[in-house]
Amino acid sequence: QVQLVESGGGVVQPGTSLRLSCEASGFTFSSHPIHWVRQAPGRGLEWVALISSDGTYKHLGDSVKGRITISRDNSKNTMYLQLSSLRDDDTGVYYCAKDRGTRYYLGMDVWGQGTTVTVSS
Amino acid sequence: IVLTQSPGTLSLSPGERATLSCRASLSVTSTYLVWYQHKPGQAPRLLMYGASTRATGIPDRFSGSGSGTDFTLTISRVEPEDFALYYCQQFGSSPPWTFGQGTKLEIK
Repeated sequence: QVQLVESGGGVVQPGTSLRLSCEASGFTFSSHPIHWVRQAPGRGLEWVALISSDGTYKHLGDSVKGRITISRDNSKNTMYLQLSSLRDDDTGVYYCAKDRGTRYYLGMDVWGQGTTVTVSS
Repeated sequence: IVLTQSPGTLSLSPGERATLSCRASLSVTSTYLVWYQHKPGQAPRLLMYGASTRATGIPDRFSGSGSGTDFTLTISRVEPEDFALYYCQQFGSSPPWTFGQGTKLEIK
């Protein structure tokens, strides 16, 4: 069964950091780029970041540049997102998603159920 | 590239035809245009890729078309389970690969 499972969400204070994990199963993890997408309460989907299949290339959304670190461990079928200097507007549901492409980015065909991050003092 | 979706909200009755638009600020290669469906409390779901190819398991009442800057998602006869938010996204330009702002398909 092709699956992505996010973890690491919770309630965190402004200015702190958190690390989210995305564990994959059921497909060749090392062959596919992985995205992070988030949705703030009452807002639409926001693309956050992408890491290429081998971790060489990383692309970041404008709202998180300078505050985000993404990495992956293909031996563990897991991708990580670390977000620092958290702000109120980082609150939302964070999804990881598999790109259906391998060399090129073609859209996200498998999504996790999401992990909720609440930034609040 | 900015994607603008219209209408913001589409109110229809089951059985009616739904036409959702996604307009790009610059030309997009159709290979890189996708549509998603998102229901509250669920993960988004890939509907269409390559602008016009249905993803696995997507019923044939969904169809996609378009090229250049204008793309359309059509639901031939809306079913009760189709009421949701719909987003387009493109990967043809350099990142960030932003989503359109979404179209809400609601029951009339």
